[in-house]
Amino acid sequence: KAGVTQTPRYLIKTRGQQVTLSCSPISGHRSVSWYQQTPGQGLQFLFEYFSETQRNKGNFPGRFSGRQFSNSRSEMNVSTLELGDSALYLCASSLEFSDEKLFFGSGTQLSVL
Amino acid sequence: AQSVTQLDSHVSVSEGTPVLLRCNYSSSYSPSLFWYVQHPNKGLQLLLKYTSAATLVKGINGFEAEFKKSETSFHLTKPSAHMSDAAEYFCVVSDISNAGNMLTFGGGTRLMVKP
Repeated sequence: KAGVTQTPRYLIKTRGQQVTLSCSPISGHRSVSWYQQTPGQGLQFLFEYFSETQRNKGNFPGRFSGRQFSNSRSEMNVSTLELGDSALYLCASSLEFSDEKLFFGSGTQLSVL
Repeated sequence: AQSVTQLDSHVSVSEGTPVLLRCNYSSSYSPSLFWYVQHPNKGLQLLLKYTSAATLVKGINGFEAEFKKSETSFHLTKPSAHMSDAAEYFCVVSDISNAGNMLTFGGGTRLMVKP
């Protein structure tokens, strides 16, 4: 069974641009969560989607948004990029909502210049 | 509110010696606690999970952790370190008051294993 797939693996953008990251969960998994990892702030929860609905949201500005499709694939979007948005963005999937066993992808490394 | 403190940002051991990675947590409710490992350029992998069934939890690759409520600790141990254990380790808490998978991560401990 394939693991959690995140694309692209690396991205370079400039300030003010927007970016979309993609996550394909493990087949059969219906919940997708997103985390941001930076050297300064560590790993922080962004949001969680289940059945195409955002169920939880972390403490991030409205520039960070996401969505989930009917096949459970998820995308997250960051608009008006800032230098501080440079980070590794990790996606995790689980079978069900509140299923605490998460499987993580390898992440998308975003660099904002 | 919940929080996790990993007491050491770096731990260095020799191959074949014991590993101890320390974690203290704070939670208003009975938490679920986890240890995840992250190898370079890889995603996070679940090592073990505590959910109140037993205070000593055995995980993968010979790791185990003991939940001590009186000390609010959940330290990770392994009797004998292997070179392949070199990675970053995260202690994580999930508060049951929050439905879903909103995990709170500790700052991480980088484990170095010397030959």
